[in-house]
Amino acid sequence: DIQMTQSPSTLSASVGDRVTITCRASQSISSWLAWYQQKPGKAPKLLIYKASSLESGVPSRFSGSGSGTEFTLTISSLQPDDFATYYCQLRGTFGQGTKVEIK
Amino acid sequence: QVQLQESGPGLVKPSQTLSLTCTVSGGSISSGGYYWSWIRQHPGKGLEWIGYIYYSGSTYYNPSLKSRVTISVDTSKNQFSLKLSSVTAADTAVYYCARGTYSYGYNWFDPWGQGTLVTVSS
Repeated sequence: DIQMTQSPSTLSASVGDRVTITCRASQSISSWLAWYQQKPGKAPKLLIYKASSLESGVPSRFSGSGSGTEFTLTISSLQPDDFATYYCQLRGTFGQGTKVEIK
Repeated sequence: QVQLQESGPGLVKPSQTLSLTCTVSGGSISSGGYYWSWIRQHPGKGLEWIGYIYYSGSTYYNPSLKSRVTISVDTSKNQFSLKLSSVTAADTAVYYCARGTYSYGYNWFDPWGQGTLVTVSS
């Protein structure tokens, strides 16, 4: 099985900061990665699919990059609405999650 | 747009079978092209994929749950269902249904239902 390792588990940042979350696969997965945002008490929301394709309606400050074994989700300028937990996903496997907290 | 809604008991006794239904609106399961999925989240924890079903009835389950899981589809009602047998407290979780897209190795889930909390307790 392919293992997914997401880091960091928690990230403290301020409004306006550039934020990067990393997801590493134990073997090459081409661009088969998706990213989600989840707020407390809510279902996950798709942000990025195919590693770098922005889901319709998602603000352009979100971007995804990478291929092979290392992937990143970047928020170019953190907004108050972005404080949430983020997950990467490959098929039936989700990363452990990264909680973005207010610094 | 397509919307999904989970329904079912919020409390299940240990050793019994958990049963949930997901009703799809705004689109037809029978149109094909998507894999209708169940995903759960233990309290305060990450996401665990349970399995999916295609409109034809083909299924694929998480190997760790396979022996206890059955997913079925009722295209006439535009619903799909989850049954998880022999539940224990470890099955207490929020259960989500979601539409899965699978294409040439790519896979993502969108949209999701709002989720339903199922507690296993006597």
